Amino acid sequence: GAVVSQHPSRVICKSGTSVKIECRSLDFQATTMFWYRQFPKQSLMLMATSNEGSKATYEQGVEKDKFLINHASLTLSTLTVTSAHPEDSSFYICSARDRGGAFDEQYFGPGTRLTVT
Amino acid sequence: LAKTTQPISMDSYEGQEVNITCSHNNIATNDYITWYQQFPSQGPRFIIQGYKTKVTNEVASLFIPADRKSSTLSLPRVSLSDTAVYYCLVGVSAGNMLTFGGGTRLMVKP
Repeated sequence: GAVVSQHPSRVICKSGTSVKIECRSLDFQATTMFWYRQFPKQSLMLMATSNEGSKATYEQGVEKDKFLINHASLTLSTLTVTSAHPEDSSFYICSARDRGGAFDEQYFGPGTRLTVT
Repeated sequence: LAKTTQPISMDSYEGQEVNITCSHNNIATNDYITWYQQFPSQGPRFIIQGYKTKVTNEVASLFIPADRKSSTLSLPRVSLSDTAVYYCLVGVSAGNMLTFGGGTRLMVKP
């Protein structure tokens, strides 16, 4: 299957600072990428849909000014957590949508563990 | 969007067959069923997808009855490394399945 990478795999930052997470589709072009958040022992929750060349669509309850999403190319989307607080500590997972093949598929990245101290 | 319901957890032993059932009573005509596996601190990994009857690949089988209101993921002869959370999703395509239910936490014991 197709490969999606995330960088960094884990990051620790101080409260009040911002952190950027990158999501890349390595062997296919993804016009759409998705960002999820997962708290311990819980399921994945969709945060936003990132569309190449346009503004992201945020799910209800997700602050767009706090979670900045940029999808500047067909293989890269970034999530910036601004003014991070301890409650933002979570596992952030991206996925990329591949419509180029016979099927409409979604491939997940390995996730990024964010810890805000 | 079709909602899915799965058992919260299941226990099994190495070498046994494990069947995890997912209910999706309001599945739409055009919806497919996809199962993902997730290990701790990793992203979900695609296991299998089906529309009706039975689908089998190298790691699992998926059984879907005629009314399609449920589906059963079957893992043959599980090993300790199959300990993970398994999610059932429903949607018109895998690329459009964005709602994760609670998943089933499978624990395989020696």
